[in-house]
Amino acid sequence: AQSVAQPEDQVNVAEGNPLTVKCTYSVSGNPYLFWYVQYPNRGLQFLLKYITGDNLVKGSYGFEAEFNKSQTSFHLKKPSALVSDSALYFCAAPTPGTYKYIFGTGTRLKVLA
Amino acid sequence: GAVVSQHPSRVICKSGTSVKIECRSLDFQATTMFWYRQFPKQSLMLMATSNEGSKATYEQGVEKDKFLINHASLTLSTLTVTSAHPEDSSFYICSARDEFDSSYEQYFGPGTRLTVT
Repeated sequence: AQSVAQPEDQVNVAEGNPLTVKCTYSVSGNPYLFWYVQYPNRGLQFLLKYITGDNLVKGSYGFEAEFNKSQTSFHLKKPSALVSDSALYFCAAPTPGTYKYIFGTGTRLKVLA
Repeated sequence: GAVVSQHPSRVICKSGTSVKIECRSLDFQATTMFWYRQFPKQSLMLMATSNEGSKATYEQGVEKDKFLINHASLTLSTLTVTSAHPEDSSFYICSARDEFDSSYEQYFGPGTRLTVT
């Protein structure tokens, strides 16, 4: 079965420190992978996507993610966290053959001042 | 970038009444739209896939007679919650696919908070 996993419900990091939000996937074929961020009572905002090509993907607001095929991972990273990065982050992948997303369970990022 | 709007952003209705939520793609054509439901502090649950000009495809366990979906144009899909009950209270989010985008990216609306009293 296809799946996307976010093993951490919550990640706490001090402002100015690097942050990592983890995502692993089990999707057949060559996966497309996405990261979205959700602020309270808002929809999802696109951060970045991996389609093909360079394994290091740069996205919005200084975020980047590294596609690692051998580890089936697509971790989200930022070199220096801001308090305003505190939000709920979702990793997602389209189900092969459809346009429907498989979502991870979400990781709540808390950046402490 | 591609923008999706939802209306209303918040709605309170009485038990037994129906409420309609609109999802619009503002600057692109969307042959496919998706409706999600999100419970507090949880991930998104796909309810149905809305296809322009045809019947929606509902996920297992979602009552199609309760959650009516209409996708009458390339820019508008509506979700009607019929005979709403307090357990239907939730955050509903729609998303849309740009038919000319091959990357599978979905563009999300801002969500609608439904409270049934």
